[in-house]
Amino acid sequence: QSVLTQPPSASGTPGQRVAISCSGSSSNIGTDAVKWYQQLPGTAPKLLIYGDNQRPSGVPDRFSGSKSGTSASLAISGLHSEDEADYYCAAWDDNLKGWVFGGGTKLTVL
Amino acid sequence: EVQLVESGGVVVQPGGSVRLSCAASGFTFGEYTMHWVRQAPGKGLEWVSLITWDGSNTYYADSVKGRFTISRDDSKNSLYLQMSSLRTEDTALYYCAKDMSAGLGMDVWGQGTPVTVSS
Repeated sequence: QSVLTQPPSASGTPGQRVAISCSGSSSNIGTDAVKWYQQLPGTAPKLLIYGDNQRPSGVPDRFSGSKSGTSASLAISGLHSEDEADYYCAAWDDNLKGWVFGGGTKLTVL
Repeated sequence: EVQLVESGGVVVQPGGSVRLSCAASGFTFGEYTMHWVRQAPGKGLEWVSLITWDGSNTYYADSVKGRFTISRDDSKNSLYLQMSSLRTEDTALYYCAKDMSAGLGMDVWGQGTPVTVSS
C-alpha cells in the first residue's frame, strides 16, 4: 500500500489528452513540491516534473503538472505512442522523514 | 556527460550482507544529495535512503532502517549502500540517483544493479 495513491492504469489514443492523479496527505503533497517520473519499459526512471509544475530541460511542454491541496495531477497532451510508460509521483513525507512514491500508473496508448 | 554507474549486485542468502557502490562522473559529486531507490521485479519504485551533500544527515525507509547504511566518499566520487540482515523482500533492482538540489527531485539515475536474496 503506497503512501501516495495513483490509479494503476490509464489509456488514450494518439493526439488525446490524458491526466494521471496522485493523492496524498498534509504531511507529503500538502507541504512538499510534487515530482513526476516516467519509466519507459526496461529503463531507469526519468524526472519529468519537479516543483509541482516545472519541467527539466528537454522535457516537452506536452507534459504539465499541477497541484491542489493534497492532490496532484500529471497531464499529457497530444499523446504520442512513445509516451507509453509507467508514471510515478513522489514527494518528501514530513511524518515518515523520507521520500514516498505513488504505486505507479501504467499508461497505454491505444 | 553526467553519469552514475552502480555495481555490486549479487545473489545472496537470507541473512547475508552486500555492499553496493555507485560511481559518479560528469558533475561535482560532493555538492549533491544522493539517493538509493529500489524496484522489486514487476513492482513500483521504493525510495530506500538518502545522504545529504555533506554527509551530515542520512535518512532511511522504515523497511530498511537498522539494516542498511548509506555512505559516501567524495574523494572517490562514490556512493555506497551497505545492506545486512537481508530478506527475500529486499530482492530488487537498486538504483542510485542524484538530487537536483534541496530535494527538488532526482534528475540523474544509474542503470541499476540487481540484488537477489534467495536460499
